[in-house]
Amino acid sequence: RKEVEQDPGPFNVPEGATVAFNCTYSNSASQSFFWYRQDCRKEPKLLMSVYSSGNEDGRFTAQLNRASQYISLLIRDSKLSDSATYLCVVSLYTGNQFYFGTGTSLTVIP
Amino acid sequence: GAGVSQSPSNKVTEKGKDVELRCDPISGHTALYWYRQSLGQGLEFLIYFQGNSAPDKSGLPSDRFSAERTGGSVSTLTIQRTQQEDSAVYLCASTFRGESYGYTFGSGTRLTVV
Repeated sequence: RKEVEQDPGPFNVPEGATVAFNCTYSNSASQSFFWYRQDCRKEPKLLMSVYSSGNEDGRFTAQLNRASQYISLLIRDSKLSDSATYLCVVSLYTGNQFYFGTGTSLTVIP
Repeated sequence: GAGVSQSPSNKVTEKGKDVELRCDPISGHTALYWYRQSLGQGLEFLIYFQGNSAPDKSGLPSDRFSAERTGGSVSTLTIQRTQQEDSAVYLCASTFRGESYGYTFGSGTRLTVV
């Protein structure tokens, strides 16, 4: 079983729509959680960390559900510039590595 | 430096040749990671360096791959006797004081083995 699993999509949504991605992780000992964004042919960039109480950054809201072992990303009022692949990342806090999901592709359509 | 710097940005090599990829992490970052990403695929962990500890090499796909980190800073990933399946983008990332901060990627080296 993969450490982190994501629905690859693609998600095609109109501008202004609200879209949500989920990601599940297999190890209940996981401690740190992140969402990264990767544009085509570019490196991944940190979008936001995910905190236990949930957190918001502008139009983006991240949630963590430890009981069900999933994290989510909600994007409100989608913009064309939100089109990218969103990567879910989980760390065991053991000092060795982060585990990346394979990403969810989002295309915002005019 | 301001970010993670990787060189070269692109490398085309003939099958069977050796290549060296360089990563210069953000100053002060103690942890350094190498990943690779094949076209349309997710990130594949290769190796992790943390301070002066022995590196975690568990992701290296074969003994043709090796990496070192000199002086706790610059890292070099070496691929010997390259094969066509080695073609990918090789990404380096660094972070400060562990995983809770997330990490910053370099722009990668696009390796093409012909």
